[in-house]
Amino acid sequence: DGGITQSPKYLFRKEGQNVTLSCEQNLNHDAMYWYRQDPGQGLRLIYYSQIVNDFQKGDIAEGYSVSREKKESFPLTVTSAQKNPTAFYLCASRSPGGNTIYFGEGSWLTVV
Amino acid sequence: AQSVTQLGSHVSVSEGALVLLRCNYSSSVPPYLFWYVQYPNQGLQLLLKYTTGATLVKGINGFEAEFKKSETSFHLTKPSAHMSDAAEYFCAVSESGGNQFYFGTGTSLTVIP
Repeated sequence: DGGITQSPKYLFRKEGQNVTLSCEQNLNHDAMYWYRQDPGQGLRLIYYSQIVNDFQKGDIAEGYSVSREKKESFPLTVTSAQKNPTAFYLCASRSPGGNTIYFGEGSWLTVV
Repeated sequence: AQSVTQLGSHVSVSEGALVLLRCNYSSSVPPYLFWYVQYPNQGLQLLLKYTTGATLVKGINGFEAEFKKSETSFHLTKPSAHMSDAAEYFCAVSESGGNQFYFGTGTSLTVIP
């Protein structure tokens, strides 16, 4: 089936650790996005990438990093510099020339 | 700059009653408008979208929305609520040809039996 796969679904991080969330899509989409969701705040854009080897910061990029070495993959690293990382993270992608983004199932990150 | 305002973070309706979720946007260019639904612990699923053409758009699960340029609104409606409609609903806007999508803060819909 075509779609966007995020893993892991649940992840626990100790303070001071970096963690990486995986996002893979087999839709042949060029653009990919990472959003953070907190209760009552909707979705906030962390990073987005329009093509391989290129990405731009969103509204809340501090404490996060990304890479886009392959069209299918857009992993997000939550670094120790992110002071409040506990949240639901959503990956999305958009087709070439398309006007709609489609989402993965999300990943929960909890700091313990 | 673009932004979205969803009036009412929580809406409760009785089963069988009309569902009305409000969305207003600001955009300096003709917008593309979207409604997404999110069930607990899941990603967002596209309900419907407006890009060009007919201003009344129909989506999945019996939902529809009307683009009203003069009111800068894109309210979501469903004539008769079902228990399975209980979820979080997000309105979003993007520019035509744009790369970024801006989301409202969401409206949680409760359906009372």
